[in-house]
Amino acid sequence: DSGVTQTPKHLITATGQRVTLRCSPRSGDLSVYWYQQSLDQGLQFLIQYYNGEERAKGNILERFSAQQFPDLHSELNLSSLELGDSALYFCASSRGTGSSNYGYTFGSGTRLTVV
Amino acid sequence: AQSVTQLGSHVSVSEGALVLLRCNYSSSVPPYLFWYVQYPNQGLQLLLKYTTGATLVKGINGFEAEFKKSETSFHLTKPSAHMSDAAEYFCAVSEDQFYFGTGTSLTVIP
Repeated sequence: DSGVTQTPKHLITATGQRVTLRCSPRSGDLSVYWYQQSLDQGLQFLIQYYNGEERAKGNILERFSAQQFPDLHSELNLSSLELGDSALYFCASSRGTGSSNYGYTFGSGTRLTVV
Repeated sequence: AQSVTQLGSHVSVSEGALVLLRCNYSSSVPPYLFWYVQYPNQGLQLLLKYTTGATLVKGINGFEAEFKKSETSFHLTKPSAHMSDAAEYFCAVSEDQFYFGTGTSLTVIP
Protein backbone atom coordinates (compact mmCIF):
# COMPACT_ATOMS: atom_id res chain seq x y z
CA ASP A 1 0.00 0.00 0.00
CA SER A 2 1.61 3.22 -1.21
CA GLY A 3 -0.60 5.46 0.91
CA VAL A 4 -2.26 7.02 -2.14
CA THR A 5 -5.82 5.78 -2.50
CA GLN A 6 -7.72 5.84 -5.74
CA THR A 7 -11.35 4.91 -6.24
CA PRO A 8 -12.90 3.22 -8.05
CA LYS A 9 -10.41 0.67 -9.33
CA HIS A 10 -12.44 -0.11 -12.40
CA LEU A 11 -15.09 1.87 -14.23
CA ILE A 12 -17.05 0.96 -17.33
CA THR A 13 -19.27 3.57 -18.88
CA ALA A 14 -20.83 4.54 -22.17
CA THR A 15 -19.76 7.21 -24.62
CA GLY A 16 -21.10 10.65 -23.82
CA GLN A 17 -21.27 10.00 -20.11
CA ARG A 18 -19.49 11.75 -17.25
CA VAL A 19 -17.45 10.11 -14.51
CA THR A 20 -15.56 11.23 -11.42
CA LEU A 21 -12.33 9.67 -10.25
CA ARG A 22 -11.20 10.19 -6.71
CA CYS A 23 -7.78 10.35 -5.12
CA SER A 24 -6.65 10.65 -1.51
CA PRO A 25 -2.98 11.61 -1.25
CA ARG A 26 -0.47 10.11 1.14
CA SER A 27 -0.64 11.64 4.60
CA GLY A 28 1.34 14.89 4.71
CA ASP A 29 1.50 15.33 0.95
CA LEU A 30 0.11 18.60 -0.35
CA SER A 31 0.49 18.06 -4.09
CA VAL A 32 -1.70 15.82 -6.21
CA TYR A 33 -0.92 14.95 -9.82
CA TRP A 34 -3.13 13.24 -12.36
CA TYR A 35 -1.75 11.11 -15.18
CA GLN A 36 -3.36 9.25 -18.03
CA GLN A 37 -1.73 6.06 -19.28
CA SER A 38 -2.80 4.51 -22.54
CA LEU A 39 -1.11 2.04 -24.86
CA ASP A 40 -0.59 4.53 -27.67
CA GLN A 41 0.17 7.68 -25.65
CA GLY A 42 2.19 6.32 -22.76
CA LEU A 43 2.16 8.21 -19.45
CA GLN A 44 0.70 11.68 -19.96
CA PHE A 45 0.68 14.37 -17.29
CA LEU A 46 -2.74 15.96 -16.98
CA ILE A 47 -2.77 18.40 -14.09
CA GLN A 48 -1.29 19.23 -10.68
CA TYR A 49 -2.88 20.73 -7.60
CA TYR A 50 -0.98 22.02 -4.61
CA ASN A 51 -2.81 22.73 -1.37
CA GLY A 52 -6.07 23.35 -3.16
CA GLU A 53 -4.79 25.44 -6.04
CA GLU A 54 -4.06 24.44 -9.60
CA ARG A 55 -0.30 24.57 -10.07
CA ALA A 56 0.49 23.06 -13.45
CA LYS A 57 -1.39 21.88 -16.49
CA GLY A 58 -0.32 19.29 -18.98
CA ASN A 59 -2.15 17.61 -21.82
CA ILE A 60 -5.56 17.87 -20.26
CA LEU A 61 -8.57 18.06 -22.55
CA GLU A 62 -11.20 20.76 -22.05
CA ARG A 63 -13.72 17.99 -21.36
CA PHE A 64 -11.66 17.07 -18.29
CA SER A 65 -11.44 19.04 -15.09
CA ALA A 66 -10.09 18.53 -11.62
CA GLN A 67 -10.13 20.04 -8.19
CA GLN A 68 -8.50 19.57 -4.83
CA PHE A 69 -10.59 19.95 -1.71
CA PRO A 70 -9.66 21.41 1.71
CA ASP A 71 -9.00 17.91 3.05
CA LEU A 72 -6.51 17.56 0.13
CA HIS A 73 -8.32 14.80 -1.69
CA SER A 74 -8.74 15.39 -5.38
CA GLU A 75 -11.29 14.53 -8.01
CA LEU A 76 -10.83 14.24 -11.75
CA ASN A 77 -13.99 14.79 -13.74
CA LEU A 78 -14.20 13.39 -17.25
CA SER A 79 -17.20 14.39 -19.36
CA SER A 80 -18.59 13.71 -22.83
CA LEU A 81 -16.55 10.54 -22.78
CA GLU A 82 -15.18 9.09 -25.99
CA LEU A 83 -13.82 5.65 -26.77
CA GLY A 84 -10.33 7.13 -26.85
CA ASP A 85 -10.60 8.17 -23.23
CA SER A 86 -10.31 4.54 -22.20
CA ALA A 87 -7.10 4.37 -20.19
CA LEU A 88 -5.55 3.94 -16.79
CA TYR A 89 -5.76 7.12 -14.75
CA PHE A 90 -3.18 7.51 -12.04
CA CYS A 91 -3.00 9.88 -9.16
CA ALA A 92 0.33 10.67 -7.50
CA SER A 93 1.20 12.81 -4.53
CA SER A 94 4.26 14.56 -3.15
CA ARG A 95 5.19 16.74 -0.18
CA GLY A 96 5.79 19.96 -1.99
CA THR A 97 5.71 21.32 -5.47
CA GLY A 98 8.27 22.03 -8.12
CA SER A 99 11.54 20.19 -8.11
CA SER A 100 11.44 17.35 -5.67
CA ASN A 101 14.04 14.96 -4.37
CA TYR A 102 11.36 12.85 -2.73
CA GLY A 103 9.75 11.59 -5.88
CA TYR A 104 6.10 10.97 -6.38
CA THR A 105 4.03 8.29 -4.70
CA PHE A 106 1.57 6.71 -7.06
CA GLY A 107 -1.80 5.18 -6.44
CA SER A 108 -2.79 1.91 -8.08
CA GLY A 109 -4.92 3.67 -10.67
CA THR A 110 -8.46 3.65 -12.02
CA ARG A 111 -9.02 1.67 -15.19
CA LEU A 112 -11.64 3.44 -17.27
CA THR A 113 -13.30 1.62 -20.12
CA VAL A 114 -15.60 3.58 -22.39
CA VAL A 115 -17.92 1.42 -24.48
CA ALA B 1 11.33 21.92 -21.06
CA GLN B 2 13.05 18.78 -19.98
CA SER B 3 13.00 15.67 -22.11
CA VAL B 4 13.72 12.13 -21.04
CA THR B 5 14.68 9.50 -23.58
CA GLN B 6 14.53 5.80 -22.92
CA LEU B 7 16.24 3.85 -25.68
CA GLY B 8 14.40 0.68 -26.51
CA SER B 9 10.71 0.40 -25.78
CA HIS B 10 11.11 -3.36 -25.40
CA VAL B 11 14.06 -5.22 -23.95
CA SER B 12 14.34 -9.00 -23.61
CA VAL B 13 16.94 -10.77 -21.51
CA SER B 14 17.46 -14.34 -20.42
CA GLU B 15 17.00 -15.23 -16.79
CA GLY B 16 20.32 -14.70 -15.03
CA ALA B 17 21.64 -12.28 -17.65
CA LEU B 18 22.55 -8.64 -17.17
CA VAL B 19 19.73 -6.12 -17.35
CA LEU B 20 20.58 -2.72 -18.86
CA LEU B 21 17.86 -0.13 -19.42
CA ARG B 22 18.99 3.17 -20.86
CA CYS B 23 17.90 6.66 -19.93
CA ASN B 24 19.15 10.02 -21.12
CA TYR B 25 17.89 13.44 -20.12
CA SER B 26 18.29 16.88 -21.59
CA SER B 27 18.82 19.11 -18.56
CA SER B 28 21.91 21.29 -18.51
CA VAL B 29 22.06 21.25 -14.73
CA PRO B 30 22.09 18.12 -12.60
CA PRO B 31 18.46 17.28 -11.94
CA TYR B 32 16.92 14.81 -9.57
CA LEU B 33 16.67 11.46 -11.34
CA PHE B 34 14.39 8.52 -10.68
CA TRP B 35 13.54 5.06 -11.90
CA TYR B 36 10.07 3.67 -11.39
CA VAL B 37 8.77 0.16 -12.03
CA GLN B 38 5.22 -0.75 -12.99
CA TYR B 39 4.02 -4.33 -12.65
CA PRO B 40 0.93 -5.38 -14.61
CA ASN B 41 -2.25 -3.71 -13.40
CA GLN B 42 -0.42 -1.79 -10.72
CA GLY B 43 0.76 1.75 -10.12
CA LEU B 44 4.30 3.01 -10.45
CA GLN B 45 6.66 2.12 -7.65
CA LEU B 46 9.90 3.96 -6.89
CA LEU B 47 12.95 1.77 -7.60
CA LEU B 48 15.71 4.25 -6.83
CA LYS B 49 16.65 7.90 -7.07
CA TYR B 50 19.64 10.15 -7.44
CA THR B 51 19.58 13.52 -5.70
CA THR B 52 23.13 14.47 -4.67
CA GLY B 53 26.29 12.73 -3.57
CA ALA B 54 27.38 9.31 -4.78
CA THR B 55 26.66 8.87 -8.44
CA LEU B 56 26.04 5.12 -8.15
CA VAL B 57 22.76 4.56 -6.38
CA LYS B 58 21.29 1.30 -5.24
CA GLY B 59 17.60 0.55 -5.20
CA ILE B 60 15.22 -2.22 -4.37
CA ASN B 61 15.30 -5.72 -5.84
CA GLY B 62 19.01 -5.57 -6.68
CA PHE B 63 18.77 -2.71 -9.17
CA GLU B 64 21.24 0.12 -9.35
CA ALA B 65 21.81 3.15 -11.57
CA GLU B 66 24.71 5.44 -12.27
CA PHE B 67 24.42 9.16 -12.86
CA LYS B 68 26.89 10.30 -15.50
CA LYS B 69 26.78 14.05 -15.90
CA SER B 70 29.09 14.12 -18.92
CA GLU B 71 26.79 11.73 -20.76
CA THR B 72 23.53 13.11 -19.28
CA SER B 73 22.61 9.52 -18.59
CA PHE B 74 21.09 7.52 -15.77
CA HIS B 75 21.08 3.91 -16.94
CA LEU B 76 19.50 1.19 -14.84
CA THR B 77 21.26 -2.13 -14.35
CA LYS B 78 20.86 -5.41 -12.55
CA PRO B 79 23.57 -8.08 -12.69
CA SER B 80 21.25 -11.07 -12.92
CA ALA B 81 17.67 -10.93 -14.21
CA HIS B 82 14.92 -12.76 -12.42
CA MET B 83 11.54 -13.73 -13.82
CA SER B 84 9.89 -11.40 -11.34
CA ASP B 85 11.70 -8.42 -12.93
CA ALA B 86 9.39 -8.54 -15.94
CA ALA B 87 7.63 -5.17 -15.86
CA GLU B 88 7.52 -1.69 -17.36
CA TYR B 89 10.31 0.65 -16.26
CA PHE B 90 10.12 4.43 -16.36
CA CYS B 91 12.94 6.92 -16.01
CA ALA B 92 11.96 10.33 -14.65
CA VAL B 93 13.58 13.70 -14.09
CA SER B 94 12.44 16.28 -11.56
CA GLU B 95 12.92 19.93 -12.37
CA ASP B 96 9.97 22.31 -12.17
CA GLN B 97 7.86 19.19 -12.44
CA PHE B 98 8.35 15.53 -13.14
CA TYR B 99 9.15 14.45 -16.67
CA PHE B 100 8.76 10.76 -17.49
CA GLY B 101 10.29 8.76 -20.27
CA THR B 102 8.08 6.66 -22.51
CA GLY B 103 8.95 3.50 -20.64
CA THR B 104 10.78 0.26 -21.40
CA SER B 105 9.02 -3.06 -21.20
CA LEU B 106 11.34 -5.73 -19.83
CA THR B 107 10.74 -9.37 -20.73
CA VAL B 108 12.70 -12.09 -18.95
CA ILE B 109 13.07 -15.32 -20.89
CA PRO B 110 13.36 -18.50 -18.84
